[in-house]
Amino acid sequence: EIVMTQSPLSLPVTPGEPASISCRSSQSLLHNNGYNYLDWYLQKPGQSPQLLIYLGSLRASGVPDRFSGSGSGTDFTLEISRVEAEDVGVYYCMQTLQSPTFGPGTKMDIK
Amino acid sequence: QVQLVQSGAEVKKPGASVKVSCKASGYSFNMFGFNWVRQAPGQGLEWMGWITPFNGETDYAQKFQGRVTLTTDTSTNMAYMELRTLRSDDTAVYYCARDRSGKYSSAYWGQGTLVTVSS
Repeated sequence: EIVMTQSPLSLPVTPGEPASISCRSSQSLLHNNGYNYLDWYLQKPGQSPQLLIYLGSLRASGVPDRFSGSGSGTDFTLEISRVEAEDVGVYYCMQTLQSPTFGPGTKMDIK
Repeated sequence: QVQLVQSGAEVKKPGASVKVSCKASGYSFNMFGFNWVRQAPGQGLEWMGWITPFNGETDYAQKFQGRVTLTTDTSTNMAYMELRTLRSDDTAVYYCARDRSGKYSSAYWGQGTLVTVSS
């Protein structure tokens, strides 16, 4: 099983400021097709999760361009260029290379 | 627009089974698979399995092998998750989610179904 870790687990943010979340996998998520099999999801309070980023860096339909994903192999980052109040919630990374596993989640809230 | 509407909350006794349904609409049902993900109270997300309506192929998390069965009904655009031999630690919100086109990435999610296992 591929184990996913995230840091920080708690992230207080100021609206208008940037934010970033790190995700690491216990094995490389880089497929021989050149894609990294890593998704990012946001679960807003009281809601179902929503897909933000897939294949490491591709933004899902309708996701604002202030969200970006980067990284390769075992180290990945989700960046928000300018946090908005509606971005609060728990962010999860998930590997999709093998039987999927999620990270523990990063809870982002407003300072 | 794509919609996934799940069945209502369930209360079950330990040892019983539960079957959660997921009604899909707004797209060609056979073209995309379903992931099932659960979330225990106050906890993170846990992937349970995937099924494609195209040919019924399934892929289960090892943890749930033998205890979960995923099915689809192409005549009614429904997906189902049955979990057997329920334990108290199966208490969770269960989500169906339609894949994006790449099997495990879930682009659309149902509203979730709370299953409570209690004697």
